[in-house]
Amino acid sequence: DTAVSQTPKYLVTQMGNDKSIKCEQNLGHDTMYWYKQDSKKFLKIMFSYNNKELIINETVPNRFSPKSPDKAHLNLHINSLELGDSAVYFCASSEGRDTDTQYFGPGTRLTVL
Amino acid sequence: AQRVTQPEKLLSVFKGAPVELKCNYSYSGSPELFWYVQYSRQRLQLLLRHISRESIKGFTADLNKGETSFHLKKPFAQEEDSAMYYCALRILTGGGNKLTFGTGTQLKVEL
Repeated sequence: DTAVSQTPKYLVTQMGNDKSIKCEQNLGHDTMYWYKQDSKKFLKIMFSYNNKELIINETVPNRFSPKSPDKAHLNLHINSLELGDSAVYFCASSEGRDTDTQYFGPGTRLTVL
Repeated sequence: AQRVTQPEKLLSVFKGAPVELKCNYSYSGSPELFWYVQYSRQRLQLLLRHISRESIKGFTADLNKGETSFHLKKPFAQEEDSAMYYCALRILTGGGNKLTFGTGTQLKVEL
């Protein structure tokens, strides 16, 4: 069974559109994360949620809005997509907010045309 | 601010040769460091953590606070070691657990 899953795997869209990426974990973890990996493979944290509560927000434009309907899901909604949003987005989870090991999803490659 | 530097974008070695993937960090607090690996078409996964002082798949990494380094080493490279390796620094903030990653080093083991 897949521990951390993301949908879709690939997303190609036009500038200005609004899109969502979904993430689900079946590990029973309390904490979930979104990371962005740019074209130079630089991986940077965007958000973290613990039990549906936002605990880390790394100066991400407010066009990005994470939503956690329950602790097993963390979705990422992006409004008014820009070319610079093209990247691979990784979801991850950890047992708790202070637990060191994070488990990553397979990534969603977003291409904005 | 914290920073993780991996100076080599690509490291190419022959099978059986020693491997050293460099990682330097900058952090004013007490560091916790990790190596994550991403094999081709697979997800990013934890390889090892400095706290455990373990050897995983023949890889070891020692935290050197004096040199602010956490280099990843393996005495004899194998073909299956070819992957992207990320060094990461963990910081516990009031909000939680934050990993700062380096830019990664692509290791290519040639026959």
